[in-house]
Amino acid sequence: AQTVTQSQPEMSVQEAETVTLSCTYDTSESDYYLFWYKQPPSRQMILVIRQEAYKQQNATENRFSVNFQKAAKSFSLKISDSQLGDAAMYFCAYRGLGGATNKLIFGTGTLLAVQP
Amino acid sequence: KAGVTQTPRYLIKTRGQQVTLSCSPISGHRSVSWYQQTPGQGLQFLFEYFSETQRNKGNFPGRFSGRQFSNSRSEMNVSTLELGDSALYLCASSLAPDRGGRGYTFGSGTRLTVV
Repeated sequence: AQTVTQSQPEMSVQEAETVTLSCTYDTSESDYYLFWYKQPPSRQMILVIRQEAYKQQNATENRFSVNFQKAAKSFSLKISDSQLGDAAMYFCAYRGLGGATNKLIFGTGTLLAVQP
Repeated sequence: KAGVTQTPRYLIKTRGQQVTLSCSPISGHRSVSWYQQTPGQGLQFLFEYFSETQRNKGNFPGRFSGRQFSNSRSEMNVSTLELGDSALYLCASSLAPDRGGRGYTFGSGTRLTVV
């Protein structure tokens, strides 16, 4: 079965600095999608960035970028120029293409604090 | 365009009762998924509906059920509530199950408390 592991329960970063959140996953599928979602206190899960496994190029969305290492099954999120509004819980998620894996499988989350 | 709308936002129920939660997806989205979020178990997939048919189901007891209407709105029902059912229930929509790779759009959830 597919699993997603986030080994950092909490992280802290100074405003304007850069922080990297770690995520590893386990799967036997060769094609799949990976996501980072942000959940602020408002509770709504917001899609930050997505990566298609068949694409070797790392995805980038403004200040957010990923380091996707398919062989190592690693998918880390880098937040540059951190802002106070980035403070939230961040979830890494996997979605396969098979019938049973056609759903989001989430990690346990990393709580990011941004210090002014 | 309007986002994913979940109602109600908060709900308090007594053990043994049943509850129905509602989710209206983004206009044009035909797939609706439900997730349960608890401090102990994290985020867990409940089920996914597309074209009024359940396409995928998570590992939850039969007390958890759902349905989807012709306008893509979805409801989930939990019967014979237990204390452990207290959770944030999140609904997510996408264009279709095979378009999930583009990412799902989530609602703000329904916070269910069972007392």
